[in-house]
Amino acid sequence: RKEVEQDPGPFNVPEGATVAFNCTYSNSASQSFFWYRQDCRKEPKLLMSVYSSGNEDGRFTAQLNRASQYISLLIRDSKLSDSATYLCVVSNTGKLIFGQGTTLQVKP
Amino acid sequence: SQTIHQWPATLVQPVGSPLSLECTVEGTSNPNLYWYRQAAGRGLQLLFYSVGIGQISSEVPQNLSASRPQDRQFILSSKKLLLSDSGFYLCAWSAHSPGELFFGEGSRLTVL
Repeated sequence: RKEVEQDPGPFNVPEGATVAFNCTYSNSASQSFFWYRQDCRKEPKLLMSVYSSGNEDGRFTAQLNRASQYISLLIRDSKLSDSATYLCVVSNTGKLIFGQGTTLQVKP
Repeated sequence: SQTIHQWPATLVQPVGSPLSLECTVEGTSNPNLYWYRQAAGRGLQLLFYSVGIGQISSEVPQNLSASRPQDRQFILSSKKLLLSDSGFYLCAWSAHSPGELFFGEGSRLTVL
C-alpha cells in the first residue's frame, strides 16, 4: 500500500464548478499535512497547509480527518487558472511524502 | 530573499554515461536539502535528504548518489545511468523539518 494515495483523475470541470479532491495516508503517526500545486512541467509549490480544525484560504478549503486518515481539498468557483495537478503531502518522521497527484482541468 | 538554483535544466544522456546535477541555495544557512525524482505519470519520490554538510540519507537503493560538499550545495550523481533513471529531478530546501519545501525548477533527464 502506498503511503499517500490520491485519485489521479483527471477531473474535468466547467468554470465556476466546485470540485473536491481526496487523499488517504497509511501512517497514523503522520504529523503534518499539506497540499501542493504543480503546473505542467514545472516544480511543485505550496498551496496550503492542512490543520486539524480545517482551514480556508479564499476559494480553497482543506480538511483533515485523523481518525479516518483522510485529507480533502475543496475548490469553489473554479477558474481556468486552477488547472494543474494537486499533490497531497504528508510528513512522516520529518520527511515529506508526496501522493502522485490529482489532475484538474477547468474548461471554459 | 532565498532562492534555489538547479542545473542543467534539460539533458539527454546515453545509457552507461555519468551524471551530475547541481543545486545551490542562496539567502539562508544550514538548510535541509532534498533530491526528488518524478517519473512520467507518477508522484515525487524522495531520493536523498541532508540536514548538514556531509550528512546524507538515502531513501531508495539505486545507482544514484548524493553529496553535500558545502552548506548550500547539493549534488546528485551517477557513475552509469540506466534507462530507468529517466525522469524529472527536483532539488528542494526547507528551513526546518517538517516545513514548507521550496523547489528548484527541475532537471529533465532522458536516458537513451
